[in-house]
Amino acid sequence: DQQVKQNSPSLSVQEGRISILNCDYTNSMFDYFLWYKKYPAEGPTFLISISSIKDKNEDGRFTVFLNKSAKHLSLHIVPSQPGDSAVYFCAASDSGGGADGLTFGKGTHLIIQP
Amino acid sequence: KAGVTQTPRYLIKTRGQQVTLSCSPISGHRSVSWYQQTPGQGLQFLFEYFSETQRNKGNFPGRFSGRQFSNSRSEMNVSTLELGDSALYLCASSSPRGTDTQYFGPGTRLTVL
Repeated sequence: DQQVKQNSPSLSVQEGRISILNCDYTNSMFDYFLWYKKYPAEGPTFLISISSIKDKNEDGRFTVFLNKSAKHLSLHIVPSQPGDSAVYFCAASDSGGGADGLTFGKGTHLIIQP
Repeated sequence: KAGVTQTPRYLIKTRGQQVTLSCSPISGHRSVSWYQQTPGQGLQFLFEYFSETQRNKGNFPGRFSGRQFSNSRSEMNVSTLELGDSALYLCASSSPRGTDTQYFGPGTRLTVL
């Protein structure tokens, strides 16, 4: 059973526009959520995270929104740039702040079109 | 600060052999986690070590094992390799001070023939 779902395998967005990547989860024990960006043959790079006590976290062009009642989070990238083309993974943890295994979605391939 | 390093970057083995992968965490990080990435299953958690002890384990067979040394470096071992073990193996480290943010190394690409 997939506890973290990214239902869009790919997303194409024009350069300069907003990219919105979505993620749903089923485990209500998850209390910390992260987004990672990954290029082929490289490890995931941490982008931004959010604790379940917040509903929004912003870092530069990246904003993550968390809707706990809907068990849904989204990553907004504004404005989208060509270098943002990569696979984006949503991840979640239920360890209450300590280091633990992350549960990942299967990723969304974001393609930024010029 | 240097990032997470993994060696080797690429490895080719045959079925039945065993393999050992190495990971050096970010300086000061004491928690090391291992993940397997395959096209079909995505990123899956293998296990996590902290202060030389395995704290958490994912749903993988006993052929997958690991250890952590006193300097926080970690090794992962896979015995009796199967074709399905071909994957990108990723190591991540995190600080013990309260967050779950894990920082990943570049991975080891294992091919089993």
